[in-house]
Amino acid sequence: QSVLTQPPSASGAPGQRVTISCSGSSSNVGSKTVNWFQQLPGTAPKLVIYNNNQRPSGVPDRFSSSKSGTSASLAISGLQSEDEADYYCAAWDDSLKGWVFGGGTKLTVL
Amino acid sequence: EVQLVESGGGLVQPGGSLRLSCAASGFTFSSHDMHWVRQSTLRGLEWVSAIGTGGDTYYPSSVKGRFTVSRENARSSLYLQMNSLRAEDTAVYYCTNYFWWGQGTLVTVSS
Repeated sequence: QSVLTQPPSASGAPGQRVTISCSGSSSNVGSKTVNWFQQLPGTAPKLVIYNNNQRPSGVPDRFSSSKSGTSASLAISGLQSEDEADYYCAAWDDSLKGWVFGGGTKLTVL
Repeated sequence: EVQLVESGGGLVQPGGSLRLSCAASGFTFSSHDMHWVRQSTLRGLEWVSAIGTGGDTYYPSSVKGRFTVSRENARSSLYLQMNSLRAEDTAVYYCTNYFWWGQGTLVTVSS
């Protein structure tokens, strides 16, 4: 059971917009910045969003994120087949004094 | 080009020890907090340890007292000493500062 809660799956057709949620608590998402990672099959995770809504160099602006209270969400617009991957959220937890991850969401591009 | 290259994984019996290493290049290693994150099919991504630029260390309760993270800035290297290994420690272990990730090294704890 992960500290951060994500839906196990999400899907969308090419060109559509999809969102993935990440629910936490006041000790993590509610008070700390959230990072999002993309993991393609057989590869290491890759940072796609940091500090709630910043994109590392090279990550397309189709990726965005928002946060409200103890929940955060990752949005991918103009969905492409290459976006099919597992997505994870993560944040520091002040109560646990450590980093916590969501259980991951498998995104399928229909 | 930034590279993080892990090594030291392998098969070990329950109760045994392993030392993982991570060689970093392409960035100023000493200026970054570094982490070990593991991934297994059963438990997903799990943060294992962190070490700050000043050497302060952090661990989750699942490994505290058994794992020790250290760094050698002169060699741009990160280490993870793992003792009293258990079957549930079986996973791919990644060296990362979250912006950059290694390819991972597989640790299998089994008799």
